[in-house]
Formats: sequence, C-alpha cells, structure tokens
Amino acid sequence: EAGVTQSPTHLIKTRGQQVTLRCSPISGHTSVYWYQQALGLGLQFLLWYDEGEERNRGNFPPRFSGRQFPNYSSELNVNALELEDSALYLCASSMRSGTSGKNEQFFGPGTRLTVL
Amino acid sequence: AQTVTQSQPEMSVQEAETVTLSCTYDTSENNYYLFWYKQPPSRQMILVIRQEAYKQQNATENRFSVNFQKAAKSFSLKISDSQLGDTAMYFCAFMKPGTYKYIFGTGTRLKVLA
Repeated sequence: EAGVTQSPTHLIKTRGQQVTLRCSPISGHTSVYWYQQALGLGLQFLLWYDEGEERNRGNFPPRFSGRQFPNYSSELNVNALELEDSALYLCASSMRSGTSGKNEQFFGPGTRLTVL
Repeated sequence: AQTVTQSQPEMSVQEAETVTLSCTYDTSENNYYLFWYKQPPSRQMILVIRQEAYKQQNATENRFSVNFQKAAKSFSLKISDSQLGDTAMYFCAFMKPGTYKYIFGTGTRLKVLA
C-alpha cells in the first residue's frame, strides 16, 4: 500500500513569490493535515481538511491557505513568501474517526522550502 | 491553550541499554490523547505509541512503553534494549478530542551508540 506522497521534494523561492505544495493521502483516508517544521520551532499545525472542507486551522496568517480535491488530495498555497517561511512542510493523512480524532496520522516525507 | 514540553534536546544511549525520554504537558482537559512519534534521519515520521488519557494502564508496544502520570501531566517514553535503528528525533504530541490536530513538543534527538 502506497504511503502519503508529497511533491515537490525541494523548492527554492525568493521573497514575495507564491508556492504550491501537493499531497496525496493514503488510499481510503479522507482527512489531510498540514504541518510546518521550522528549525528551532518544532512542528506546528497548519491546516486540517476533511471531505473537501477546511475543518481546523492553526495560528498562521491568511497567506497560508489550501484546498482538498474530490479525490482527497490536497494543496497548500503560501502567498507573499517571507524568509521565515523556510521550513519542512509535512502532510499527513488519516481515516476520520467520528468526533474523536484519535486515529493515527500517517506522515509524508515532506517538502523542503527555502526562501531566499 | 495546551503546551507540550520536552526538556531534553539531545540524549544518547549505548546499544542494548534502556533510555527514558521525558515529556510534560499542560492542559485543563480531562480527556485527551498522547502520542510519541519517531522521525529517523531523512525519513518519514512514524507513530511509536499512543495513550488515551482515560486509560490508567500504561501503553506498551514491544520495546517501547510509556509512564503516564495524569496528575503530574507527565508522559515519558521508555525504550528498552536500544537498537541502532532507534536513532531518531522523538516527538511527544497532545491531541484534544475533536480537534484532529497534534500539538507537538520540540523533540528529543536520540542517538544510539554502538
């Protein structure tokens, strides 16, 4: 069974540019999550999508946005890139578990974004 | 707001020995979930072990076990018979039911020495 896949693997952008990161969940998973892993800051929750809807959002500015497609894949868009957006962006997926959320989230390998 | 603290940025252990990684958290919730995730060098994060707060029994998965002290808000991970493949970054995480979002600690980098 294929795991969570992300593309691209690496990305270099300059300040002010826009970027789109992509994620394909494990087959059968309807929930997709995005996390930012910045150096020295650990992993920060960005967004949760389920059944095409944004269900929860972390403490990030509106220039971080995304969407989930009917096949449950997802995109993360970051506008007006800033230097501090340089990080590893991790996508995870899970089966929706009623209202609990206790189901394991399976992580992808990440996209390394460097902003110059 | 919930917070998760891992006070040991780096640790090392000899192969075959036992090591304990610390994690404390702060929450006013009574029911929640706690997790330990492992992130090997240049590899994907994988779940090591999970604990549900309403369960008093400590979770165990083969060589991995936790010491869950709810009153003290402590959730430490014990790795027995450490193996070279255990070398990784270990993250403690908290989840409030219904939020579907992990709140992670800053991680502990564990190195297993041959």
